[in-house]
Order: sequence, then structure tokens, then C-alpha cells
Amino acid sequence: QSALTQPRSVSGSPGQSVTISCSGTSNDVGGYNYVSWYQRHPGKAPQLLIYDISERPSWVPDRFSGSRSVNTASLTISGLQAEDEADYYCCSYAGSYTLMFGGGTNLTVL
Amino acid sequence: QLQLQESGPGLVKPSDTLSLTCSVSGVSISSNRYYWGWIRQSPGKGLEWIGIIYYTGTTYYNPSLESRVSISLDTSKNHFSLRLTSVTAADSAVYFCASEHTLVVGARNWFFDLWGRGTLVTVSS
Repeated sequence: QSALTQPRSVSGSPGQSVTISCSGTSNDVGGYNYVSWYQRHPGKAPQLLIYDISERPSWVPDRFSGSRSVNTASLTISGLQAEDEADYYCCSYAGSYTLMFGGGTNLTVL
Repeated sequence: QLQLQESGPGLVKPSDTLSLTCSVSGVSISSNRYYWGWIRQSPGKGLEWIGIIYYTGTTYYNPSLESRVSISLDTSKNHFSLRLTSVTAADSAVYFCASEHTLVVGARNWFFDLWGRGTLVTVSS
């Protein structure tokens, strides 16, 4: 199993939108509707942002949205805020009852 | 309210066995509505799924770790545990426990809705 591919870092100014990609294959991201996204602030527990590609838990602001095109999933954060500065990880079901995570993306709010 | 807390030695010697515990409060680990999992993050790297266990004792592991890993439940203490044998420096990481809450008994959601804060384990002599 190889990790899903994410950009190491992205940045944006407050109020702008940023998109983080998560590239996989037809055996994971493209093959199942089970892509999730997590946010982690340093020293804190990861928090679920998106599940099932684009579903959002009730406690997550609608500034966060998810999508998928073929084998690449994306997380878009609109109306960037300072508190969005964190690491973001994608995750996908990869068959045979296994999960695979991405390498993580560090978001900097300029 | 469900809470998870990892605990265990912060330092393990090479070739030894790493043992960690995740204490669960707010929910019984015998519930048929939860799966309990472990994930780790090595320094400078992304998250790595280790494995998961259901209240029946059924386990699923990352194929890359399967020969060395085991996850178990202790219902008397309401915690679940991770054992990783023959560790090397590559196993140094922050280890997280997490829960997967399913609305349908036995069904899988394939995402973790709650995580612990993690515990750092360093493998060194």
C-alpha cells in the first residue's frame, strides 16, 4: 500500500479559498465512496471534517466541502480564517477491509 | 460523551514489543455500534492506518504491519490495546486511538469520528 498523494503545503489569505488535492487510484479513491478528510492542529487530536467524499458532520462549518473527480478527491476551504491553519489529511477505503491515508498537507493562512 | 485516551511507555528498545492502551469513557467497548482503531504518524510523515477491532474481537490490520501487530479488547477495564512486536526506529511515531461509530449494527462507515490526542513512542536503545 502506498500513501495517497497530497501536496506538502498550500497557503491562502484570509477570506480566500484553497483546495487540497488527494490523488489515489481506482483501487481506493476512485473505487469507493469512502473518502474522508481530517484536520489536525499541532498537539491536538485529529478532527473529522468530511466523510463519504462530500458529507459534512453537523459540527463542521459549511466553509469546508469535499468532492471527487475520477481518482482524485479534493477538500475546499472557502472564506479562510486564521484558525484554519493546520495539517489536513485525506483517507480512503482501499479494499480488503483496509484504510489508507494521505501524506498530509500543511495549510498556512498568510 | 465519548472520550479516548492513549497511554503507554514513551520509550521502547529495538526488537522489543510496543504495548499501548486506549482508555474509553462514555461508551462501553462492548457496544455493537463502535469499531476501535489505531493510527500512527511517524516524524515528518503522514498518518498510517494500523488496524481496527470490533466488539466481537474481529480484527483487520494494515497488510504492511499484519505480521507484527495485534489489537485486543479488555472489557473489564473498558479499554483496547495495541501490541507491535520486533520494533525498530521506523516504528517511532505518535500513536492515536480512534473510534468509528456506526448507526447500523455491523456496518462500516470507513471513517473515524473521534480520536485521542495521541501518545509519542520512541524506539531507541
